[in-house]
Amino acid sequence: EVQLVQSGAEVKKPGESLRISCKASGYSFTAYWINWVRQMPGKGLEWMGRIVPGDPYSDYSPSFQGHVTISADKSITTAYLQWSSLEASDTAMYYCVRRGAFAGLDYWGRGTLLTVSS
Amino acid sequence: EIVLTQSPGTLSLSPGERATLSCRASQTLDSDFLAWYQHKPGQTPRLLIYGAFRRATGIPDRVSGSGSGTDFTLTISRLEPEDFAVYYCQQFHTPPHTFGQGTKVEIK
Repeated sequence: EVQLVQSGAEVKKPGESLRISCKASGYSFTAYWINWVRQMPGKGLEWMGRIVPGDPYSDYSPSFQGHVTISADKSITTAYLQWSSLEASDTAMYYCVRRGAFAGLDYWGRGTLLTVSS
Repeated sequence: EIVLTQSPGTLSLSPGERATLSCRASQTLDSDFLAWYQHKPGQTPRLLIYGAFRRATGIPDRVSGSGSGTDFTLTISRLEPEDFAVYYCQQFHTPPHTFGQGTKVEIK
């Protein structure tokens, strides 16, 4: 069974750093893109970026380029999303999602809720 | 960046009615690279359609996708209570793989 298990909710202050994780199991981790998707409170889905865990090539939406870093450790089948300096506007739910063999995001983690507040 | 514009913003319908949701792209897409998702409050989004018209595993045949070029449609032929949700389209034609802003299907 394919599973993406994300790390728990976080409460941070502006300027702090953070790394959230996404542990994959039940499939060949290096064979599928892992994507990160943001949903701000009351808003829609936003594609942030992706990584090929076996490569590890990654690319980003211009809206997120330079503000977040996507990485992966294939030895422990885990992908990461990290910030070096959080802002209040980073408050959102973050989903890690696998892209299937076709063009569609087929397996979603349950999300990590991030709250950034002073 | 490809912009996807979904319409209408909100669709108010009764169970048993037909829902027709539109997704228009700012440039021509390869149909293989258009997907639709359903998102209910408190749940994770679910893939419904990929390749513009191919149903994902477990999706009932009352849900269908169509379209090509810049205009794509998601149709739910007879709304069931579990179909009331927000629906998003997404393109994989060119990074960034943008989503539309969503259409909410609500009970009338």
